[in-house]
Amino acid sequence: NAGVMQNPRHLVRRRGQEARLRCSPMKGHSHVYWYRQLPEEGLKFMVYLQKENIIDESGMPKERFSAEFPKEGPSILRIQQVVRGDSAAYFCASSLSENIQYFGAGTRLSVL
Amino acid sequence: QQQVKQSPQSLIVQKGGIPIINCAYENTAFDYFPWYQQFPGKGPALLIAIRPDVSEKKEGRFTISFNKSAKQFSLHIMDSQPGDSATYFCAAPKPGGADGLTFGKGTHLIIQP
Repeated sequence: NAGVMQNPRHLVRRRGQEARLRCSPMKGHSHVYWYRQLPEEGLKFMVYLQKENIIDESGMPKERFSAEFPKEGPSILRIQQVVRGDSAAYFCASSLSENIQYFGAGTRLSVL
Repeated sequence: QQQVKQSPQSLIVQKGGIPIINCAYENTAFDYFPWYQQFPGKGPALLIAIRPDVSEKKEGRFTISFNKSAKQFSLHIMDSQPGDSATYFCAAPKPGGADGLTFGKGTHLIIQP
């Protein structure tokens, strides 16, 4: 039973480019969450999605960031026109229905 | 905004000792409190979780103690081993019953041989 799969594991972008991070939840899980982790800090909630719906995006920056979880395929976190401050580890988690969230290995974004 | 205060920030314990990590939370309408373990370069892994209808939960060498009236919960690691060296995060549900988690800032634990 595969866990939460994230790709790519590492992503390098130049300032102004777009970053697309993908997350495939655990089999049977319909709830997806994205978190951001800066070095030496905890995880900050960004957005919570269910299939085709954004449930809570209270942690998402208002500009340049967007997320989707289509009916088919992985959840996507998109960051447009990246800046150096976007460099971080981005983690995806999924859950079945309760609050037990299982995390992927993360995508480490570096903006040059 | 839900706040979760975790302490200590770092902790060094000799092998076989019992590190204790504490967390305090604010009001919450949801009762579920997990602990995650994270190794460098890896994602957080669910370690153990508790619902506050019980005051203590044990899984192997890991124990959560919960004090609902004080809004505090703690993680104890019995017979600690060097392989337990990692960063530990406590978490609490976001207020309002939403399903996102608010995390503490983490505790860097080092178990010395």
